[in-house]
Amino acid sequence: QLQLQESGPGLVKPSETLSLTCSVSGGSISSSGYFWGWIRQPPGKGLEWIASMYFSGTTHYNPSLKSRLTISVDTSKNQVSLNVRFVTAADTAVYYCARSRGFPNWFDSWGQGNLVTVSS
Amino acid sequence: DIQMTQSPSSLSASVGDRVTITCRASQYIGNFLSWYQEKPGKAPKALIYAASTLQSGVPSRFSGSGSGTDFTLTISSLQPEDFANYFCQQTYSAPITFGQGTRLEIK
Repeated sequence: QLQLQESGPGLVKPSETLSLTCSVSGGSISSSGYFWGWIRQPPGKGLEWIASMYFSGTTHYNPSLKSRLTISVDTSKNQVSLNVRFVTAADTAVYYCARSRGFPNWFDSWGQGNLVTVSS
Repeated sequence: DIQMTQSPSSLSASVGDRVTITCRASQYIGNFLSWYQEKPGKAPKALIYAASTLQSGVPSRFSGSGSGTDFTLTISSLQPEDFANYFCQQTYSAPITFGQGTRLEIK
């Protein structure tokens, strides 16, 4: 059974870089046709798609965040990572990683989420 | 970006009730609409994709309908485990966007 587990700091200071990792077990991140994505949910607000990536290198970013984002995949570790630069309080959210078959497409598996607070 | 407007934002109902949640897209999205269930501290769970296709393992009391811009999620007979948050998602075009969510509470 596929499992996704997000990890990262619970607290990040404004203007710093937020780094998150999603560890995938029960399946390969190199599986043909699957994209690995990040979605976030600020407190009391709706979900926002951030970025998605295919293991071979194809990336898709939300234009509203693109200038501050880098998504990457480490096939040797079966992990997908996200960096968000120059964070502000508006980046405070629960961050989820998820898998989709193709892009854009619905997410068939999600992690439990990682709460990140941006505060000094 | 395609805006997804979900209603109601919250809903109180009783076990055994039939409930309907709606999602409206700001432009045509065909049937590229999915529904998810979210519970605190748990991974969101896909319920419906392609507007009306039930994800494997999801109980048949859940159903989805609609196409174009207007969509509904119906739970035919609420069970205790169904009290959760629900949200819709469009995948017709990037950026992928979500509805604001519906909180389904026990009356």
